[in-house]
Amino acid sequence: AQKITQTQPGMFVQEKEAVTLDCTYDTSDQSYGLFWYKQPSSGEMIFLIYQGSYDEQNATEGRYSLNFQKARKSANLVISASQLGDSAMYFCAMRGKAAGNKLTFGGGTRVLVKP
Amino acid sequence: EPEVTQTPSHQVTQMGQEVILRCVPISNHLYFYWYRQILGQKVEFLVSFYNNEISEKSEIFDDQFSVERPDGSNFTLKIRSTKLEDSAMYFCASRVDLYTEAFFGQGTRLTVV
Repeated sequence: AQKITQTQPGMFVQEKEAVTLDCTYDTSDQSYGLFWYKQPSSGEMIFLIYQGSYDEQNATEGRYSLNFQKARKSANLVISASQLGDSAMYFCAMRGKAAGNKLTFGGGTRVLVKP
Repeated sequence: EPEVTQTPSHQVTQMGQEVILRCVPISNHLYFYWYRQILGQKVEFLVSFYNNEISEKSEIFDDQFSVERPDGSNFTLKIRSTKLEDSAMYFCASRVDLYTEAFFGQGTRLTVV
């Protein structure tokens, strides 16, 4: 079985500052993928960033970077230079062969960016 | 940019009625999924579909649920006799293979009254 834990239900961040969203995972798979999705108030799920378990470098996509620490089983998302439009729910998710390659989601972290 | 399209965006139905939620996955994608998100809760896997058959389903996906790919483009989720607890946002997702990210539709908000 695989499990994703997001321990921060909500957080505030000042506009233009960086914020780190925590994600820890548990899996028996050797090969797996980690994902972050953004869900604004309108409800859609927007893919942000992907990290493969064998990727040696941390993934980056624009202002998003993933701090992947395999030994600690953590995959924290860092959003740099926060913007008001970053206010949303953020979900960490995992895909692994043992779980049939479906996505397993964490409980989410709500981010509110203050002007 | 290609996207997964879901219709309707909002559906209100009476308890006991059948509903069909529709999805048009990205055209070259081969793996299809339905997830649901009860308000305020995490996203939960319902079912995966590949090669015209269900590849996996969760315990949520009981006999009241069915999926179909009636033609080359649509992927539907049917709930035969809706219950109040079926009220949720339903997301369709697709991916081209097992090594890339899944793209989600914008969701259908189902309200059972």
